[in-house]
Amino acid sequence: SQQGEEDPQALSIQEGENATMNCSYKTSINNLQWYRQNSGRGLVHLILIRSNEREKHSGRLRVTLDTSKKSSSLLITASRAADTASYFCATDALDSNYQLIWGAGTKLIIKP
Amino acid sequence: EAEVAQSPRYKITEKSQAVAFWCDPISGHATLYWYRQILGQGPELLVQFQDESVVDDSQLPKDRFSAERLKGVDSTLKIQPAELGDSAMYLCASSRRGNADTQYFGPGTRLTVL
Repeated sequence: SQQGEEDPQALSIQEGENATMNCSYKTSINNLQWYRQNSGRGLVHLILIRSNEREKHSGRLRVTLDTSKKSSSLLITASRAADTASYFCATDALDSNYQLIWGAGTKLIIKP
Repeated sequence: EAEVAQSPRYKITEKSQAVAFWCDPISGHATLYWYRQILGQGPELLVQFQDESVVDDSQLPKDRFSAERLKGVDSTLKIQPAELGDSAMYLCASSRRGNADTQYFGPGTRLTVL
């Protein structure tokens, strides 16, 4: 079962533009994490935001969390061709024994 | 930088054959996860180990899948017999403490069942 749903399913932008991806979830969470997956490879952890945090930054990444709307967004600023990948959100919650529950991902394509 | 190792990277097999995947987690990581990822979807947890003990295998199809982590270090996931629907990417991940901790993934094994 997948708790997170990413939106959009696919996004294509020009290099240098900002990319925004959204994640919605269904139940109360403990943490929300974002991961990146390059084509045919494993996943790489990007950032973790706790349920009591509203915003977090890491380099060109900015993550926001709105627990009242059960949603999160990932912003990548000044996109580069190397950012082309699929991006997944994953949540953990007390009622699922903190097991990570994953969304289906957003496929991001950066056009040179 | 330490990484999670997996082998093989690619496996093609015929249905009804047996296949096995191997994973070596990052040294010192107590928790090991096996996920299955179908193309276009997010990972689905198959089994989770804490040291050598299984803590969650509720999504593991136990009639054909088995997993072990005998010494609490590396792990093997086996499918016998393989079915066409098992074609997917099999990902191994590890974390220091367990759930709610950052997970580090290996490169995965792409399985194709013909």
